[in-house]
Amino acid sequence: SAVISQKPSRDICQRGTSLTIQCQVDSQVTMMFWYRQQPGQSLTLIATANQGSEATYESGFVIDKFPISRPNLTFSTLTVSNMSPEDSSIYLCSAIELRKYTQYFGPGTRLTVL
Amino acid sequence: GQQVMQIPQYQHVQEGEDFTTYCNSSTTLSNIQWYKQRPGGHPVFLIQLVKSGEVKKQKRLTFQFGEAKKNSSLHITATQTTDVGTYFCAGWTGTASKLTFGTGTRLQVTL
Repeated sequence: SAVISQKPSRDICQRGTSLTIQCQVDSQVTMMFWYRQQPGQSLTLIATANQGSEATYESGFVIDKFPISRPNLTFSTLTVSNMSPEDSSIYLCSAIELRKYTQYFGPGTRLTVL
Repeated sequence: GQQVMQIPQYQHVQEGEDFTTYCNSSTTLSNIQWYKQRPGGHPVFLIQLVKSGEVKKQKRLTFQFGEAKKNSSLHITATQTTDVGTYFCAGWTGTASKLTFGTGTRLQVTL
């Protein structure tokens, strides 16, 4: 199974700043995704990270707020821009292995915005 | 849009009791996946069901996919404290090309 790493694992940030989260997969994957999870809640899909092109965002999420890059098959970044306390959450990277439909998750980045 | 609901939202059992969580989708699914998330952890893949009426077992866990491919269940026999966590179903529809996660069922097991 694919092993996904994320960094940072956690951060505390000031309002108005931006944070970039990195996601690295140890094997080739077809699709990569970014999710947000509030404490005690289910996972909400932010966007699908597309290799070499603009990400596909879900309703309620926009590129200006959550710019995403995916320069190659195994790496992606999510930036949380102009942060406010409402952005405090866990952000999870996820990927589907090549030729499979099984989706794996990274350990998450716990973000606190003051 | 597609919705995936799970019941119950929370269940507290004594160790040794059985547990079942039910998952219902508003649309027909290509496949369904189940995940377990321990407190403070990330979702960990448990199993994938693809065929209508499919039943799979993993030790004390039994997973079932409905005939209409719109519902699923996870049954745990003789729960243990290590089963504590939140169980999510997630449905994949080919047209949407993404997983839609259920609302989750949090399981608490006490001695």
